[in-house]
Amino acid sequence: EIVLTQSPGTLSLSPGERATLSCRASQSVGSNYLAWYQQKPGQAPRLLIYGASSRATGIPDRFSGSGSGTDFTLTISRLEPEDFAVYYCQQYSSSPLTFGGGTKVEI
Amino acid sequence: EVQLVQSGAEVKKPGESLKISCKGSGYIFANYWIAWVRQMPGKGLEWMGIIYPGDSDTRYTPSFQGQITISADKSTSTAYLLWSSLKASDTATYYCARRAEGAEYLQQWGQGTLVSV
Repeated sequence: EIVLTQSPGTLSLSPGERATLSCRASQSVGSNYLAWYQQKPGQAPRLLIYGASSRATGIPDRFSGSGSGTDFTLTISRLEPEDFAVYYCQQYSSSPLTFGGGTKVEI
Repeated sequence: EVQLVQSGAEVKKPGESLKISCKGSGYIFANYWIAWVRQMPGKGLEWMGIIYPGDSDTRYTPSFQGQITISADKSTSTAYLLWSSLKASDTATYYCARRAEGAEYLQQWGQGTLVSV
């Protein structure tokens, strides 16, 4: 099973700042099959990024994904008030499919 | 517009059975895999299993195998998650989500069903 470790657990930033979230895999994620989701309190997760770097439909370009192999990054270039949420990575290269533990981005 | 609408919150006792539902609309339900994801209170996301409504091909994550049953009725565009005997540890919010075509990330999500045992 591929274990995904997200860091930091909590990121405290201000609107307008840049956020850099890390997702590290216990073994290589084949074909960069890694997705990122955003979850706000009381809401379902929302797909942001798939294939490590492709933005989902309707996702603003301040969100970007990068990385390969075992190290992946989600970057939010300039935080908007609505971006404060929990972010999860998920690998879909091998079964069982797994999620990281999440990073909370707080004001 | 693709939508997944889940059944409402449930309060059950240990040992009781439960079936929750997820109704798809805005697309051909039979043609897309539907996954179920658990989120225990204050915790992260866990992939439970997935079903292809077209032929009911179903795959379970090992830790959930034998604990739940996933089914689907393509005639009503509805997927189901079933427990035969609930435990207190099943208390969680359960999400259904539509898998992308050709890859196992989740493009659209239901609103979630809170199950309290």
